[in-house]
Amino acid sequence: AIRMTQSPSSFSASTGDRVTITCRASQGISSYLAWYQQKPGKAPKLLIFAASTLQSGVPSRFSGSGSGTDFTLTISCLQSEDFATYYCQQYYIYPRTFGQGTKVEIK
Amino acid sequence: EVQLVESGGGLVQPGRSLRLSCAASGFTFDDYAMHWVRQTPGKGLEWVSGISWNGDNIGYADSVKGRFTISRDNAKNSLYLQMNSLRAEDTALFYCAKDNVISMMRGAFDVWGQGTMVTVSS
Repeated sequence: AIRMTQSPSSFSASTGDRVTITCRASQGISSYLAWYQQKPGKAPKLLIFAASTLQSGVPSRFSGSGSGTDFTLTISCLQSEDFATYYCQQYYIYPRTFGQGTKVEIK
Repeated sequence: EVQLVESGGGLVQPGRSLRLSCAASGFTFDDYAMHWVRQTPGKGLEWVSGISWNGDNIGYADSVKGRFTISRDNAKNSLYLQMNSLRAEDTALFYCAKDNVISMMRGAFDVWGQGTMVTVSS
């Protein structure tokens, strides 16, 4: 199975900060990479698919980049509602696999 | 409104079986692959199984292969997960999720249900 490794696992940031989360796949997945946001007690929400395509309704401060094995999720100006856990996922092959998650906390 | 509603969770003893259901509405169900994803309380997401729009292409996580069976009934707009030989480590919130591309086997998950909790304990 393809292993997805996110870094960091957690960090603290302030409103207005620019933050970047990285995701590395153990083998090439082209651009079959999605990013999800999850808040406590809620189902995950799709933010970005195909590595860099913003899901409808998602604010433009979210962006994604990368292909092959290395990917990033960037939030250009962190808002209070962005404090959550973020997951990457490959959908290149079965079994689909998620990263372990990155928790963004308030500093 | 596009919606997925899971049901069938509950408390079950180790070694027993349980069948989860996911009722879909608001979209053309038989156009999309569907999936089950689980989450242990306080932990991360684990993809469990997926099925193509017509049921011809199915995949499982290694952790459930041979014990769980995914199926769908397009006439009823429903997805199922038959779980046999349940273990304590299967305790989790189970979500169903929809692919975001029609008739393809490579899609991100754009719609999720609210989840149904499965607890395996004696």
